[in-house]
Amino acid sequence: DVVVTQSPLSLPVTLGQPASISCRSGRSLVYSDGNTYLNWFHQRPGQSPRRLIYKVSNRDSGVPDRFSGSGSDTDFTLKISRVEAEDVGVYYCMQGSHWPYTFGQGTKLEIK
Amino acid sequence: QVQLQESGPGLVKPSETLSLTCTVSGGSISNYHWGWVRQPPGKGLEWIGYIFGYIFDSGRTNYNPSLVGRVTISLDTSRNQFSLNLNSVTAADTAVYYCARQPSASTSGHLDYWGQGTLVTVSS
Repeated sequence: DVVVTQSPLSLPVTLGQPASISCRSGRSLVYSDGNTYLNWFHQRPGQSPRRLIYKVSNRDSGVPDRFSGSGSDTDFTLKISRVEAEDVGVYYCMQGSHWPYTFGQGTKLEIK
Repeated sequence: QVQLQESGPGLVKPSETLSLTCTVSGGSISNYHWGWVRQPPGKGLEWIGYIFGYIFDSGRTNYNPSLVGRVTISLDTSRNQFSLNLNSVTAADTAVYYCARQPSASTSGHLDYWGQGTLVTVSS
């Protein structure tokens, strides 16, 4: 299985400040069709995950533009330009290029 | 708006079969693929597998190799539902089980809609 490693695992952030989460894959995520299938999800306590970003940098409908995804090959980043209270929870990256698809361990964002 | 809802027993005995159903509303099940993901209490997410819903590929499945031999995912287009069966369960299968929609990855990535999840506990 492709190992996906997130860092940090815990991310205390002051409201209004930026935040950044790294996601590294043990193998290139460039698929044979030329796409790179890297998704980001946000899970609030007691809720199901919600997708924020797909194919590295495409924001889902309704996701605030303070969220952005970037990266290539094996190295990816999720950035929040200004953290708001509703952003608390766990963030997961997920690779969809190699079956079985795998998730990172999760990064828990909390407000300082 | 697409909605997914898991249903099934919340308690299963060891060595028995875990059976869950996901009911899809707000869209046809035949136009997408459909998957199951699980999350042990306090832990991360694991893909179980998915089933192709497209008419010409309908019924084709992809299972996590770690579960092959124990898992079956099936589709019921007449009821707009898909199901998960996991046999010979142990305590390690205790988790929240989520059903989710898998769109055409090349255009829309993976797992764009999720159910609320259902906790299944394996215990005698």
